[in-house]
Amino acid sequence: DAKTTQPPSMDCAEGRAANLPCNHSTISGNEYVYWYRQIHSQGPQYIIHGLKNNETNEMASLIITEDRKSSTLILPHATLRDTAVYYCIGDSSASKIIFGSGTRLSIRP
Amino acid sequence: NAGVTQTPKFQVLKTGQSMTLQCAQDMNHNSMYWYRQDPGMGLRLIYYSASEGTTDKGEVPNGYNVSRLNKREFSLRLESAAPSQTSVYFCASSEGEFTEAFFGQGTRLTVV
Repeated sequence: DAKTTQPPSMDCAEGRAANLPCNHSTISGNEYVYWYRQIHSQGPQYIIHGLKNNETNEMASLIITEDRKSSTLILPHATLRDTAVYYCIGDSSASKIIFGSGTRLSIRP
Repeated sequence: NAGVTQTPKFQVLKTGQSMTLQCAQDMNHNSMYWYRQDPGMGLRLIYYSASEGTTDKGEVPNGYNVSRLNKREFSLRLESAAPSQTSVYFCASSEGEFTEAFFGQGTRLTVV
């Protein structure tokens, strides 16, 4: 699995876009980039994943650089309910999911 | 659908006691996982099962055993609990590689 690096904390104003960066410079060609979040002490929740192309779903957008060494998760209109720890994961074909330390996102009213 | 169900939700053990944490999923997923999360820390993988009949060690397997009882159920056993095993334990499942995982709500274990 690729090692990922994320800032420990970020904040964003409510209603603005939250852009969470992730560095995964050691990612290999068959490894997807996954994003999960954990709200308070609940179980983690899947957000989005991608391999090469940018992806969008009802929760967020994922922008992956052309060299695949980094990516950005975008929450287009952050709300207070988006306050959580966000985890970026590089997943290989080994069927195991290794979490890093994540980014603690705080949304300001 | 219930998704991933963990029992119990809370447990207090004395040092040296044993117990089994239960996990069941109703999504017909192939892969299942056990994680622990210490206060203020990220999740660490204890064991995982890529498919029924197989189990493999994760990052922190010492002090734990697992059983993939069938496709639905994956249990985690502490044979002799230690205070260092005080943590929140999460079970998860996924269809397999390259698919998202679904997590249970956790078991909060305190060893005194």
